[in-house]
Amino acid sequence: GAVVSQHPSRVICKSGTSVKIECRSLDFQATTMFWYRQFPKQSLMLMATSNEGSKATYEQGVEKDKFLINHASLTLSTLTVTSAHPEDSSFYICSASVSGATDTQYFGPGTRLTVL
Amino acid sequence: GDSVTQMEGPVTLSEEAFLTINCTYTATGYPSLFWYVQYPGEGLQLLLKATKADDKGSNKGFEATYRKETTSFHLEKGSVQVSDSAVYFCALSDRNNQGGKLIFGQGTELSVKP
Repeated sequence: GAVVSQHPSRVICKSGTSVKIECRSLDFQATTMFWYRQFPKQSLMLMATSNEGSKATYEQGVEKDKFLINHASLTLSTLTVTSAHPEDSSFYICSASVSGATDTQYFGPGTRLTVL
Repeated sequence: GDSVTQMEGPVTLSEEAFLTINCTYTATGYPSLFWYVQYPGEGLQLLLKATKADDKGSNKGFEATYRKETTSFHLEKGSVQVSDSAVYFCALSDRNNQGGKLIFGQGTELSVKP
């Protein structure tokens, strides 16, 4: 149980285009989803926290107009990287937690974004 | 603010060696503590957790004990295998934040040689 999927697993795009990454909880309802960014050989940096039906809460320094997050249902959150540039290339990981057990997060397998 | 500090890697061990990865934390409240493992090219998997002082988390031969007096949560395994090669992250969750925000250490890469 508690499986989180991400799609796509890898994406390559041209500079200036937008990319959407999906995060799904497959066998549970996720009231809260988190989006992280991970640079090579570094730790995870929390980008934003999203609660179903509410606007996402962004961490300091993360541009909310560039990284659009939507959490429209209890099983799906999306991250859209708008007008992507090479510096946005990274490994993006989502996680989900269950209502009443918010100190345990289940992580997706990650999405490798490469912007040319 | 709350923070987590791990020993720097990479750590290279021979198969069947004893493993310790140190983790210390600072927190104003009473956090839950976690160890996550990340295999190459994959996302994070929860390895074990402890929610209060003196709790011991264990899984797959790995253990860690929540030590409030030393603010530590060191990861140990008695006999590592090649398949344990991965990056290990220590993390805490701030209970005061109902969002369950996780704060991660910098990660420790473990390489186990046959």
